[in-house]
Amino acid sequence: TQLLEQSPQFLSIQEGENLTVYCNSSSVFSSLQWYRQEPGEGPVLLVTVVTGGEVKKLKRLTFQFGDARKDSSLHITAAQTGDTGLYLCAGGETGANNLFFGTGTRLTVIP
Amino acid sequence: DAGVIQSPRHEVTEMGQEVTLRCKPISGHDYLFWYRQTMMRGLELLIYFNNNVPIDDSGMPEDRFSAKMPNASFSTLKIQPSEPRDSAVYFCASSFLGGGWGYTFGSGTRLTVV
Repeated sequence: TQLLEQSPQFLSIQEGENLTVYCNSSSVFSSLQWYRQEPGEGPVLLVTVVTGGEVKKLKRLTFQFGDARKDSSLHITAAQTGDTGLYLCAGGETGANNLFFGTGTRLTVIP
Repeated sequence: DAGVIQSPRHEVTEMGQEVTLRCKPISGHDYLFWYRQTMMRGLELLIYFNNNVPIDDSGMPEDRFSAKMPNASFSTLKIQPSEPRDSAVYFCASSFLGGGWGYTFGSGTRLTVV
């Protein structure tokens, strides 16, 4: 099983602050995805990155795939209470059809 | 599309009983995945199917767990006999062309074995 470590494990911030979540592995992935999971629901796909160094923006969220395709980061600008949730990264290996999920970062945005 | 549909949403059962979890994937998706989520271990892949055929069941904990996909629109995960350590949230997810472009997850089944 490939290990995807996320940091921090827990994060509590005030509304309006910025934050960055990290996802690291010793393995190379052909694609890296980020999901957000709310209580009582399944994870929902936010973005997929496939090229080393790739940066994608989704409104206030910025995702980056590391040059070596072993790590990724998620940056949220001016956090809102609606950003609260469990953020999961997931990596897909070349030729594989399943994903390995990270350990998760539980974000709480306080109004 | 209604998304991936799982039933039941919650299941409470006594140790030793048989439990069956159900999943209807998104129409047209050719991959179906069963995951288990716990606080201690996060999301763990149990088994996945491609075009209704089981491809990798190496994540199934032991012989008490079995999964079937009799057709493209239905899959079951069965635990017999159930044990307290099986308590977790079980997710079904489906995708088109594997995991490379993302999964669509169901809302999960919260299983409690007492």
